[in-house]
Amino acid sequence: AAGVIQSPRHLIKEKRETATLKCYPIPRHDTVYWYQQGPGQDPQFLISFYEKMQSDKGSIPDRFSAQQFSDYHSELNMSSLELGDSALYFCASSGRGGTTWGYTFGSGTRLTVV
Amino acid sequence: SQQGEEDPQALSIQEGENATMNCSYKTSINNLQWYRQNSGRGLVHLILIRSNEREKHSGRLRVTLDTSKKSSSLLITASRAADTASYFCATGSYNTDKLIFGTGTRLQVFP
Repeated sequence: AAGVIQSPRHLIKEKRETATLKCYPIPRHDTVYWYQQGPGQDPQFLISFYEKMQSDKGSIPDRFSAQQFSDYHSELNMSSLELGDSALYFCASSGRGGTTWGYTFGSGTRLTVV
Repeated sequence: SQQGEEDPQALSIQEGENATMNCSYKTSINNLQWYRQNSGRGLVHLILIRSNEREKHSGRLRVTLDTSKKSSSLLITASRAADTASYFCATGSYNTDKLIFGTGTRLQVFP
């Protein structure tokens, strides 16, 4: 069965550079969530989209932006990268009412900022 | 953590033993979910318990929920080396679709 696809799997960037992470949800899932997980930390909610509109916002820095496109895939854009942005970035998708049934997570993008 | 704490932070047991992990949370919830994460990998949904349920089973997993104490426990019976992973609880609330994760328990099962 198709899962949530994230690309790239690994990304190395220098400080002050820009990065774009992509997420392709499970077909017919209309809600996408982005989480950031630092080393040894729990996943922190960044932002979510439902039907291409932002539905909720968490601790996402102003340097980050995200959107969901007409085909429901989502992109997380990160600018002016800092060393502290090094983390695993997860995307998850669900049908509406995702917390009622559980999310399906992608395998994540490991971002390393040097 | 945004929501709560899990204990223990780390747990080491032998194969065949049971593993119990606890999760506490702070806010009112609609449901509580448990996820598993192998090192550096994605999170896998294990089980969901609704706020009006007290206990739920799935295979070797047993989850309890006590909303009066704002706590939940995950019991893995007859553990296997392949159960070695980090386990996170996450809570969903009524007015948002986002999940808030706890701090996680690292489980090591020795063969």
